[in-house]
Amino acid sequence: KQEVTQIPAALSVPEGENLVLNCSFTDSAIYNLQWFRQDPGKGLTSLLLIQSSQREQTSGRLNASLDKSSGRSTLYIAASQPGDSATYLCAAPQESYGGSQGNLIFGKGTKLSVKP
Amino acid sequence: NAGVMQNPRHLVRRRGQEARLRCSPMKGHSHVYWYRQLPEEGLKFMVYLQKENIIDESGMPKERFSAEFPKEGPSILRIQQVVRGDSAAYFCASSPDRLYGYTFGSGTRLTVV
Repeated sequence: KQEVTQIPAALSVPEGENLVLNCSFTDSAIYNLQWFRQDPGKGLTSLLLIQSSQREQTSGRLNASLDKSSGRSTLYIAASQPGDSATYLCAAPQESYGGSQGNLIFGKGTKLSVKP
Repeated sequence: NAGVMQNPRHLVRRRGQEARLRCSPMKGHSHVYWYRQLPEEGLKFMVYLQKENIIDESGMPKERFSAEFPKEGPSILRIQQVVRGDSAAYFCASSPDRLYGYTFGSGTRLTVV
């Protein structure tokens, strides 16, 4: 059964810093991994989707890496801004290839606060 | 493409009433997933549906909760005889295929009074 863990649970940084959020998963036979952002009282916004054949994905100031062998993914945020303040969630599929289920298992998230 | 549409955004029900939450997936998406987020807790999987089929309902409480995704119309999550503990944010997501990423709706925030 897939389990997803995110550390740290909370992070506060001054504006302009580069930072790394960590995600680990127990079943490494995944076909993709997805990072989301959730603002307070809002829904989830997809940030990056990494397929199992990829090592990393980039979108603007965001870069996500995937290391299946070690069961880890990282989300790197460059030059952080106050608008980046949110909870960041990592999600991995419950089933590996060949499974019939497609549901994602979520970590509890990292709550990021970027101070001006 | 309007994205994943959930309604209502907020729903208040008295204990014992029924709650119906609707989700219209993105155009072209045939996979629908429902999640629940309790205050200060993570997202918990409830049910995975394709058109007219429940694929996985392992996260659904055994009683009072049901879900459907009919051939026509939105997916419905139904909670009968609601209790205070059902108060939560309920999110729906859709995807065109399980190998693709999810797109989430804005959620329905259910409050049971």
